[in-house]
Amino acid sequence: ETGVTQTPRHLVMGMTNKKSLKCEQHLGHNAMYWYKQSAKKPLELMFVYNFKEQTENNSVPSRFSPECPNSSHLFLHLHTLQPEDSALYLCASSPPGVNTGELFFGEGSRLTVL
Amino acid sequence: GEDVEQSLFLSVREGDSSVINCTYTDSSSTYLYWYKQEPGAGLQLLTYIFSNMDMKQDQRLTVLLNKKDKHLSLRIADTQTGDSAIYFCAESNTDKLIFGTGTRLQVFP
Repeated sequence: ETGVTQTPRHLVMGMTNKKSLKCEQHLGHNAMYWYKQSAKKPLELMFVYNFKEQTENNSVPSRFSPECPNSSHLFLHLHTLQPEDSALYLCASSPPGVNTGELFFGEGSRLTVL
Repeated sequence: GEDVEQSLFLSVREGDSSVINCTYTDSSSTYLYWYKQEPGAGLQLLTYIFSNMDMKQDQRLTVLLNKKDKHLSLRIADTQTGDSAIYFCAESNTDKLIFGTGTRLQVFP
């Protein structure tokens, strides 16, 4: 139990659907991240938020839309996805100040796009 | 850009040592990390090493860093079935971590 909770754990959607992934942490962390984990590929950083402000958008297609309403919650809104977007989406958070780069990960949301 | 490379699979017998290797490209990385992902779970920090160190030991884990060759390794002594997981190498780059593909370690009896 890392203190980072992701819902839903599993999601199956069609290419025309709109859905959202949710992440929350009550660890007092100020930075939150979305990563994409695909088989045989490096873990891919998608978005970074620091104090609710987006500081990184790693050339992610616009069909993925992040939202960070406060430092404890992070959403990933999904629409018109492609089958190749099927992956495990991991949320992570990190504490403020100088640190050793430890990220606290959730268990992930397994997304299947039909 | 920054790149971190690892082999995808490693299979070892229970009780043997496991060595997981990683190469990275960013010579300015301050820290290098090993994360572990157990089945159905997210990643958890296993250990890390500061870039001015050559070695770090923590119980059954030994991390070796060759900065000249940009090579990082993780040795697990007396590997147990509970060590079966995916191990990710990562380097720090300003405010973000760059991860490799992960190495799936399978431990057989």
